Amino acid sequence: EPEVTQTPSHQVTQMGQEVILRCVPISNHLYFYWYRQILGQKVEFLVSFYNNEISEKSEIFDDQFSVERPDGSNFTLKIRSTKLEDSAMYFCASSEANRGVGEKLFFGSGTQLSVL
Amino acid sequence: AQKITQTQPGMFVQEKEAVTLDCTYDTSDPSYGLFWYKQPSSGEMIFLIYQGSYDQQNATEGRYSLNFQKARKSANLVISASQLGDSAMYFCAMREFNDYKLSFGAGTTVTVRA
Repeated sequence: EPEVTQTPSHQVTQMGQEVILRCVPISNHLYFYWYRQILGQKVEFLVSFYNNEISEKSEIFDDQFSVERPDGSNFTLKIRSTKLEDSAMYFCASSEANRGVGEKLFFGSGTQLSVL
Repeated sequence: AQKITQTQPGMFVQEKEAVTLDCTYDTSDPSYGLFWYKQPSSGEMIFLIYQGSYDQQNATEGRYSLNFQKARKSANLVISASQLGDSAMYFCAMREFNDYKLSFGAGTTVTVRA
């Protein structure tokens, strides 16, 4: 079964450094998402992306965050200057379309980001 | 206001028994979808089951069933014949017609005992 792939599985960085989290969505999917889960807390929406532009973003997704689809397969999340509170599990997800409330999101295994 | 509420932070269940995970939701949108995801210790989010607000029957997928009570705004997940591999965190999530992002509850940790 096709799956969403995320790399790396773990990333450790120093505060203030830039990090790029990478995702390869399912090949025929058109909608892409980033979510994050701070340890012990709920999964939070960050951003959705369609047709090479952001379709929706949360208040968490400030100017320090950016997303990009640099080629036909990768979908990246960049954090320009990491803060301690950015430490979390980051999930990439994709969906085939946006046909309604029942459109299923397929999630990757996540990247655990630790900011020291 | 919380859109999805899961009041059980953790539950224990004996192998082969059934367990019910509670989920209540809050929306004024008549069209919405409710999802359950499983997150094992390895971290990935696995889709389990979906219920649409206009679906007349409760959703079922193998050992998973959804007890959908629309008037009470609840969408409880029932796992029948629990297996050791069911030990995981379970998240209830909702998508509304006017807000396409998926909103998650805080999750319930299920531990299946042999």
